[in-house]
Amino acid sequence: ETGVTQSPTHLIKTRGQQVTLRCSSQSGHNTVSWYQQALGQGPQFIFQYYREEENGRGNFPPRFSGLQFPNYSSELNVNALELDDSALYLCASSLGTGEYEQYFGPGTRLTVT
Amino acid sequence: DAKTTQPNSMESNEEEPVHLPCNHSTISGTDYIHWYRQLPSQGPEYVIHGLTSNVNNRMASLAIAEDRKSSTLILHRATLRDAAVYYCILRFGNEKLTFGTGTRLTIIP
Repeated sequence: ETGVTQSPTHLIKTRGQQVTLRCSSQSGHNTVSWYQQALGQGPQFIFQYYREEENGRGNFPPRFSGLQFPNYSSELNVNALELDDSALYLCASSLGTGEYEQYFGPGTRLTVT
Repeated sequence: DAKTTQPNSMESNEEEPVHLPCNHSTISGTDYIHWYRQLPSQGPEYVIHGLTSNVNNRMASLAIAEDRKSSTLILHRATLRDAAVYYCILRFGNEKLTFGTGTRLTIIP
């Protein structure tokens, strides 16, 4: 059974640019959640996708957007990057939107200069 | 979101039990208590969860106070691999996971 994978591992972007992060969910999981983790802090919920539809969003501006594909993999897009967007971006998949445990990937470390 | 309070850091000796406390005085009757941990350079991983009764699994035990205002995660025999940040999270149904800053556990060889 393949776990949650994320790409790329590390990324350096310039302020104002756009970035796309990718996540492959664990086999059989139809729900993907994205989190942002700043240094020294716990992960903060960005949004969740269930069967290709957004199913909940945290306190993040619209320049953070996402997609989920028919195979349940997912993308996180961030436009107009700001320095404060530098963080570890985590993807987590689960069996559904119910009270299921979430399985996290290793994250993508984004640095904005 | 209901809040939890955890110590910033704890130390424990290898091969001894570890008791990680969590206070959640504003917990509602339908909130489950979840624990996740995050090893260095990894994403968080699920440890255990419960509602009212104590719970055991292969990783840990969860002891829940009778009034549910506090809980304790118990690692029965700590190894170096258990060094991580441990997060106590209250969750109702399919709500998002709301992480605090957790407890950084250091294991002393």
